[in-house]
Amino acid sequence: GAVVSQHPSRVICKSGTSVKIECRSLDFQATTMFWYRQFPKQSLMLMATSNEGSKATYEQGVEKDKFLINHASLTLSTLTVTSAHPEDSSFYICSATAPGPYEGYTFGSGTRLTVV
Amino acid sequence: AQKITQTQPGMFVQEKEAVTLDCTYDTSDQSYGLFWYKQPSSGEMIFLIYQGSYDEQNATEGRYSLNFQKARKSANLVISASQLGDSAMYFCAMREGNAGGTSYGKLTFGQGTILTVHP
Repeated sequence: GAVVSQHPSRVICKSGTSVKIECRSLDFQATTMFWYRQFPKQSLMLMATSNEGSKATYEQGVEKDKFLINHASLTLSTLTVTSAHPEDSSFYICSATAPGPYEGYTFGSGTRLTVV
Repeated sequence: AQKITQTQPGMFVQEKEAVTLDCTYDTSDQSYGLFWYKQPSSGEMIFLIYQGSYDEQNATEGRYSLNFQKARKSANLVISASQLGDSAMYFCAMREGNAGGTSYGKLTFGQGTILTVHP
């Protein structure tokens, strides 16, 4: 089946530094990638939608300059958390529309970001 | 307004028993899709079952079935013969919008239900 590989799975960074999270579709072309954020025991909140070759569409309240999304190819989308602060500590997960009979979704395995 | 509502923050079930996780949704679209996902403590999102708005029969996938009541806008997940490995957080999600529309493809998630299976 369709697989999205997400790296790193876990990262700890110092306050003020930037962190890049990658999502790669391994066996299909992901024209659209969705990025979510999840706090412990809470729901997944959509941050932005990225389409290959175009600017990402951010949800209301999400800082574009802080969460930089790049979707330069059909198999790679990246989320960069710039000037990270402890409040950015969260679980970030990507998903792509996967080929199939009802256009389901394939999720990455998620990245647990801790900013110290 | 909340588009997907899961009113059970936590549910407990005895091993081998069946359990129903509730989900109601709100949309004005005629075409939409409903999904259930399982999220264990590792964080991965595991797809369980899908129901399209035009599907007349309730979806089933192994021990999972979806009780789709369109008029009531509910899409409850039924897990039969619960296993210890079913303990996880469960999310109901909806995709609305028509293909080609700007909002097409977005998944909206409910608050989730933490299911605990007791031996």
